[in-house]
Amino acid sequence: DQQVKQNSPSLSVQEGRISILNCDYTNSMFDYFLWYKKYPAEGPTFLISISSIKDKNEDGRFTVFLNKSAKHLSLHIVPSQPGDSAVYFCAASAGGGADGLTFGKGTHLIIQP
Amino acid sequence: SQTIHQWPATLVQPVGSPLSLECTVEGTSNPNLYWYRQAAGRGLQLLFYSVGIGQISSEVPQNLSASRPQDRQFILSSKKLLLSDSGFYLCAWTGGGPGGYTFGSGTRLTVV
Repeated sequence: DQQVKQNSPSLSVQEGRISILNCDYTNSMFDYFLWYKKYPAEGPTFLISISSIKDKNEDGRFTVFLNKSAKHLSLHIVPSQPGDSAVYFCAASAGGGADGLTFGKGTHLIIQP
Repeated sequence: SQTIHQWPATLVQPVGSPLSLECTVEGTSNPNLYWYRQAAGRGLQLLFYSVGIGQISSEVPQNLSASRPQDRQFILSSKKLLLSDSGFYLCAWTGGGPGGYTFGSGTRLTVV
């Protein structure tokens, strides 16, 4: 049973436009959510996080939105740049911290020139 | 500052051969350590985690084992590799910061 779901294996977006990556979760105990970015042959790197007490967190071109009632979060990248092409993993944890993460399967974002 | 080292970067091994992947962390004490695998077309699957020396928890039954002989050392092993063990193996640690895990650079294992 997958508790964190990223239903789009891949997403293609034109450079300069907005990229929206979606993530759904089923475990109502999750209260901390993170996005990681992964390039080929490298480990994932932390991108942005959000606590369940918030519904939005912004960091430069990256914004994460959380809809607790729908158990849904999304990552917005605007404007999209070629260097954003990577696999993006959604992750969640319970207990208020960033330990014991459950990851989604990832979405491969491709930025078209 | 904290760093995590993982080696080797790539490995090609025949079926039935043993495996040993090593991960070490610097700049922190008593980290929580993790081994993940990313198989082709799949997400990050947690294999093992450790909260202290000699303490190993296994998340999925498999042909692999893990050990933590020292506080900042985490080893992934197999006595006999299977073709299905091929994948990208990632070591990670966390000290509870807002960014969650810090991952190593990974090992690409191909079993032939």
